[in-house]
Amino acid sequence: KAGVTQTPRYLIKTRGQQVTLSCSPISGHRSVSWYQQTPGQGLQFLFEYFSETQRNKGNFPGRFSGRQFSNSRSEMNVSTLELGDSALYLCASIRDSPSSGANVLTFGAGSRLTVL
Amino acid sequence: AQSVTQLGSHVSVSEGALVLLRCNYSSSVPPYLFWYVQYPNQGLQLLLKYTTGATLVKGINGFEAEFKKSETSFHLTKPSAHMSDAAEYFCAVSGADQAGTALIFGKGTTLSVSS
Repeated sequence: KAGVTQTPRYLIKTRGQQVTLSCSPISGHRSVSWYQQTPGQGLQFLFEYFSETQRNKGNFPGRFSGRQFSNSRSEMNVSTLELGDSALYLCASIRDSPSSGANVLTFGAGSRLTVL
Repeated sequence: AQSVTQLGSHVSVSEGALVLLRCNYSSSVPPYLFWYVQYPNQGLQLLLKYTTGATLVKGINGFEAEFKKSETSFHLTKPSAHMSDAAEYFCAVSGADQAGTALIFGKGTTLSVSS
């Protein structure tokens, strides 16, 4: 079965622009989480959505936002891009209700954003 | 608050040698612990996880890890390294009483395997 699909895989933006990244979870999975990966900070949790509702949010500024659609696909948006937003953005999906931290996340290959 | 410390950002071994990647965690609640592997230009793949029960956990590709509560450790081992094991490895923790699936990751350990 198809895995987690993230688009685009690579993109380049300039400071001040905004960007939208897309994530299609595994069929039947209802929860989607987003992580930012940078060499300096490592992997950091951005937010999590379940059934179109944000269930959890990491410690990121309001420029970072997301949403989930009725088909479980998710998008994240970063407005007013800064150089420090250059990162690999990873999406993960999980089948069951995210009521337990024991659930396993299946990650996509990521969207690599470069901000110039 | 939860945290994860991976000792050693780079580990180099010879093919056939023992692999030992160290992970210590801090958690005020019973933890769930994970090891993920990341190959270049790819996402993260689950190697193994500890939730409850047996403290020695076996994963894919011959890897295993032992949960030691007294030492707050969850070290990853493999008896014999293979060239294909070269990758970056991440230890992660989540809380047993938390809602949601947010993981706290360590900084990662890059494993190099030489022939």
